[in-house]
Amino acid sequence: GEDVEQSLFLSVREGDSSVINCTYTDSSSTYLYWYKQEPGAGLQLLTYIFSNMDMKQDQRLTVLLNKKDKHLSLRIADTQTGDSAIYFCAESIYNQGGKLIFGQGTELSVKP
Amino acid sequence: KAGVTQTPRYLIKTRGQQVTLSCSPISGHRSVSWYQQTPGQGLQFLFEYFSETQRNKGNFPGRFSGRQFSNSRSEMNVSTLELGDSALYLCASSLVGQGHYEQYFGPGTRLTVT
Repeated sequence: GEDVEQSLFLSVREGDSSVINCTYTDSSSTYLYWYKQEPGAGLQLLTYIFSNMDMKQDQRLTVLLNKKDKHLSLRIADTQTGDSAIYFCAESIYNQGGKLIFGQGTELSVKP
Repeated sequence: KAGVTQTPRYLIKTRGQQVTLSCSPISGHRSVSWYQQTPGQGLQFLFEYFSETQRNKGNFPGRFSGRQFSNSRSEMNVSTLELGDSALYLCASSLVGQGHYEQYFGPGTRLTVT
Protein backbone atom coordinates (compact mmCIF):
# COMPACT_ATOMS: atom_id res chain seq x y z
CA GLY A 1 0.00 0.00 0.00
CA GLU A 2 0.89 3.65 -0.04
CA ASP A 3 2.08 4.97 3.28
CA VAL A 4 4.75 7.48 4.27
CA GLU A 5 5.73 7.95 7.90
CA GLN A 6 7.76 10.62 9.67
CA SER A 7 8.45 11.47 13.27
CA LEU A 8 6.44 14.51 14.30
CA PHE A 9 8.94 16.72 16.12
CA LEU A 10 12.64 17.50 16.14
CA SER A 11 14.42 20.12 18.22
CA VAL A 12 18.04 21.17 17.62
CA ARG A 13 20.40 23.96 18.58
CA GLU A 14 21.48 26.58 16.08
CA GLY A 15 24.64 25.48 14.31
CA ASP A 16 24.01 21.76 14.86
CA SER A 17 23.02 19.34 12.10
CA SER A 18 19.40 18.22 11.82
CA VAL A 19 18.40 14.82 10.51
CA ILE A 20 14.78 14.25 9.54
CA ASN A 21 13.77 10.67 8.80
CA CYS A 22 11.05 9.18 6.65
CA THR A 23 9.95 5.64 5.79
CA TYR A 24 7.74 4.58 2.93
CA THR A 25 6.09 1.33 1.98
CA ASP A 26 5.53 1.34 -1.78
CA SER A 27 8.23 -0.44 -3.79
CA SER A 28 7.09 1.35 -6.92
CA SER A 29 8.37 4.72 -5.75
CA THR A 30 10.11 6.54 -8.56
CA TYR A 31 11.16 9.81 -6.97
CA LEU A 32 11.23 10.99 -3.37
CA TYR A 33 10.91 14.63 -2.42
CA TRP A 34 11.49 16.92 0.52
CA TYR A 35 9.29 19.97 1.01
CA LYS A 36 9.36 22.75 3.59
CA GLN A 37 6.29 24.58 4.87
CA GLU A 38 6.47 27.75 6.91
CA PRO A 39 3.45 29.04 8.85
CA GLY A 40 0.69 30.33 6.60
CA ALA A 41 2.54 29.38 3.43
CA GLY A 42 2.42 26.74 0.74
CA LEU A 43 5.03 24.04 0.28
CA GLN A 44 8.52 24.86 -0.95
CA LEU A 45 10.36 22.15 -2.86
CA LEU A 46 13.78 21.67 -1.25
CA THR A 47 15.24 18.73 -3.08
CA TYR A 48 14.44 15.33 -4.54
CA ILE A 49 16.17 12.04 -5.26
CA PHE A 50 15.59 9.39 -7.89
CA SER A 51 14.80 6.03 -6.32
CA ASN A 52 17.89 4.40 -7.85
CA MET A 53 20.26 6.85 -6.17
CA ASP A 54 21.77 6.49 -2.70
CA MET A 55 22.69 10.05 -1.94
CA LYS A 56 22.26 13.59 -3.19
CA GLN A 57 23.93 16.71 -1.85
CA ASP A 58 22.67 20.23 -2.45
CA GLN A 59 24.51 22.93 -0.49
CA ARG A 60 23.53 22.43 3.19
CA LEU A 61 21.14 19.61 2.35
CA THR A 62 22.07 15.94 2.07
CA VAL A 63 19.51 13.31 1.15
CA LEU A 64 20.22 9.66 1.89
CA LEU A 65 18.10 6.87 0.48
CA ASN A 66 18.18 3.24 1.61
CA LYS A 67 15.95 1.55 -0.93
CA LYS A 68 16.21 -1.86 0.71
CA ASP A 69 14.84 -0.53 4.00
CA LYS A 70 12.63 2.08 2.28
CA HIS A 71 14.19 4.76 4.44
CA LEU A 72 14.85 8.34 3.42
CA SER A 73 16.58 11.04 5.43
CA LEU A 74 17.25 14.75 5.05
CA ARG A 75 20.28 16.21 6.77
CA ILE A 76 20.52 19.98 7.19
CA ALA A 77 24.02 21.13 8.05
CA ASP A 78 24.62 24.20 10.23
CA THR A 79 20.93 24.56 11.05
CA GLN A 80 19.73 28.14 11.45
CA THR A 81 16.67 29.60 13.18
CA GLY A 82 15.28 30.35 9.72
CA ASP A 83 15.16 26.60 9.09
CA SER A 84 12.39 26.25 11.69
CA ALA A 85 9.42 24.90 9.76
CA ILE A 86 7.52 21.70 8.97
CA TYR A 87 9.33 19.33 6.64
CA PHE A 88 7.44 16.84 4.51
CA CYS A 89 8.76 13.88 2.62
CA ALA A 90 6.74 12.69 -0.34
CA GLU A 91 6.91 9.91 -2.88
CA SER A 92 5.70 9.59 -6.42
CA ILE A 93 4.58 6.20 -7.65
CA TYR A 94 5.29 4.67 -11.03
CA ASN A 95 2.40 5.27 -13.41
CA GLN A 96 0.55 7.59 -11.06
CA GLY A 97 1.86 10.75 -12.57
CA GLY A 98 1.31 13.91 -10.61
CA LYS A 99 0.12 12.24 -7.43
CA LEU A 100 2.43 12.72 -4.46
CA ILE A 101 1.95 10.79 -1.23
CA PHE A 102 3.03 12.85 1.75
CA GLY A 103 4.17 11.99 5.23
CA GLN A 104 2.60 13.74 8.22
CA GLY A 105 5.41 16.27 8.40
CA THR A 106 8.19 16.81 10.94
CA GLU A 107 8.13 20.07 12.86
CA LEU A 108 11.72 21.28 13.21
CA SER A 109 12.39 23.73 16.00
CA VAL A 110 15.79 25.45 16.02
CA LYS A 111 16.79 27.03 19.32
CA PRO A 112 19.36 29.85 19.43
CA LYS B 1 8.98 33.52 -13.77
CA ALA B 2 5.83 34.02 -11.72
CA GLY B 3 4.97 31.26 -9.29
CA VAL B 4 1.75 29.35 -8.87
CA THR B 5 -1.10 31.64 -7.91
CA GLN B 6 -4.32 30.67 -6.17
CA THR B 7 -7.44 32.70 -5.71
CA PRO B 8 -9.05 33.51 -3.44
CA ARG B 9 -6.63 33.16 -0.53
CA TYR B 10 -9.38 32.97 2.08
CA LEU B 11 -13.01 31.92 1.92
CA ILE B 12 -15.77 31.52 4.46
CA LYS B 13 -18.79 29.52 3.37
CA THR B 14 -21.84 28.01 5.01
CA ARG B 15 -22.71 24.31 5.08
CA GLY B 16 -24.61 23.27 1.99
CA GLN B 17 -23.13 25.95 -0.25
CA GLN B 18 -20.71 25.31 -3.06
CA VAL B 19 -17.32 26.85 -3.75
CA THR B 20 -14.93 27.23 -6.68
CA LEU B 21 -11.21 27.68 -6.22
CA SER B 22 -8.82 28.76 -8.94
CA CYS B 23 -5.20 27.91 -9.69
CA SER B 24 -2.88 29.47 -12.29
CA PRO B 25 0.20 27.34 -12.91
CA ILE B 26 3.72 28.45 -13.69
CA SER B 27 4.00 29.40 -17.35
CA GLY B 28 4.75 26.31 -19.43
CA HIS B 29 3.60 23.83 -16.79
CA ARG B 30 0.84 21.58 -18.08
CA SER B 31 0.15 19.40 -15.06
CA VAL B 32 -1.86 20.73 -12.13
CA SER B 33 -2.47 18.70 -8.98
CA TRP B 34 -4.73 19.59 -6.08
CA TYR B 35 -4.28 18.66 -2.42
CA GLN B 36 -6.27 19.10 0.75
CA GLN B 37 -4.36 19.83 3.95
CA THR B 38 -5.99 19.41 7.37
CA PRO B 39 -4.47 18.99 10.83
CA GLY B 40 -6.05 15.56 11.22
CA GLN B 41 -5.48 13.99 7.81
CA GLY B 42 -2.42 15.89 6.64
CA LEU B 43 -1.84 16.40 2.94
CA GLN B 44 -4.11 14.33 0.75
CA PHE B 45 -4.15 14.18 -3.03
CA LEU B 46 -7.42 15.20 -4.66
CA PHE B 47 -6.78 14.98 -8.41
CA GLU B 48 -4.40 15.83 -11.21
CA TYR B 49 -5.14 17.42 -14.56
CA PHE B 50 -2.98 17.33 -17.63
CA SER B 51 -3.95 18.73 -21.02
CA GLU B 52 -7.51 19.38 -19.82
CA THR B 53 -7.98 15.73 -18.77
CA GLN B 54 -8.19 14.32 -15.28
CA ARG B 55 -5.34 11.85 -15.12
CA ASN B 56 -5.38 10.77 -11.48
CA LYS B 57 -7.93 10.94 -8.71
CA GLY B 58 -7.65 10.52 -4.96
CA ASN B 59 -10.19 9.04 -2.55
CA PHE B 60 -12.58 11.92 -2.22
CA PRO B 61 -16.36 11.92 -2.72
CA GLY B 62 -17.91 13.08 -5.96
CA ARG B 63 -18.69 16.46 -4.37
CA PHE B 64 -15.10 17.34 -5.18
CA SER B 65 -14.54 18.00 -8.85
CA GLY B 66 -12.19 19.93 -11.03
CA ARG B 67 -11.34 20.98 -14.51
CA GLN B 68 -8.51 22.40 -16.53
CA PHE B 69 -8.66 24.95 -19.29
CA SER B 70 -6.67 25.13 -22.49
CA ASN B 71 -4.25 27.64 -20.91
CA SER B 72 -3.56 25.07 -18.12
CA ARG B 73 -5.38 27.10 -15.47
CA SER B 74 -7.40 24.85 -13.22
CA GLU B 75 -10.42 25.14 -10.98
CA MET B 76 -11.74 22.86 -8.31
CA ASN B 77 -15.30 22.85 -7.10
CA VAL B 78 -16.76 21.52 -3.89
CA SER B 79 -20.52 21.19 -3.81
CA THR B 80 -22.78 20.79 -0.76
CA LEU B 81 -20.09 21.88 1.66
CA GLU B 82 -19.66 20.07 4.96
CA LEU B 83 -17.92 21.26 8.10
CA GLY B 84 -15.18 18.69 7.46
CA ASP B 85 -14.28 20.40 4.18
CA SER B 86 -12.64 23.20 6.13
CA ALA B 87 -9.02 22.97 5.07
CA LEU B 88 -6.14 24.54 3.21
CA TYR B 89 -6.45 23.65 -0.46
CA LEU B 90 -3.17 23.63 -2.30
CA CYS B 91 -2.51 23.36 -5.97
CA ALA B 92 0.80 22.47 -7.53
CA SER B 93 2.01 22.71 -11.10
CA SER B 94 4.77 20.77 -12.79
CA LEU B 95 6.50 20.17 -16.07
CA VAL B 96 5.95 16.61 -17.13
CA GLY B 97 9.16 14.66 -17.33
CA GLN B 98 10.25 11.04 -17.34
CA GLY B 99 8.10 10.00 -14.38
CA HIS B 100 9.45 12.99 -12.53
CA TYR B 101 7.08 15.66 -11.32
CA GLU B 102 8.81 18.58 -9.64
CA GLN B 103 5.69 20.05 -8.17
CA TYR B 104 5.67 23.73 -7.28
CA PHE B 105 2.98 24.75 -4.86
CA GLY B 106 0.88 27.86 -4.59
CA PRO B 107 0.17 29.57 -1.27
CA GLY B 108 -3.17 27.81 -0.90
CA THR B 109 -6.78 28.79 -0.36
CA ARG B 110 -7.93 28.62 3.25
CA LEU B 111 -11.58 27.46 3.23
CA THR B 112 -13.63 27.72 6.40
CA VAL B 113 -17.07 26.12 6.43
CA THR B 114 -19.45 27.27 9.19
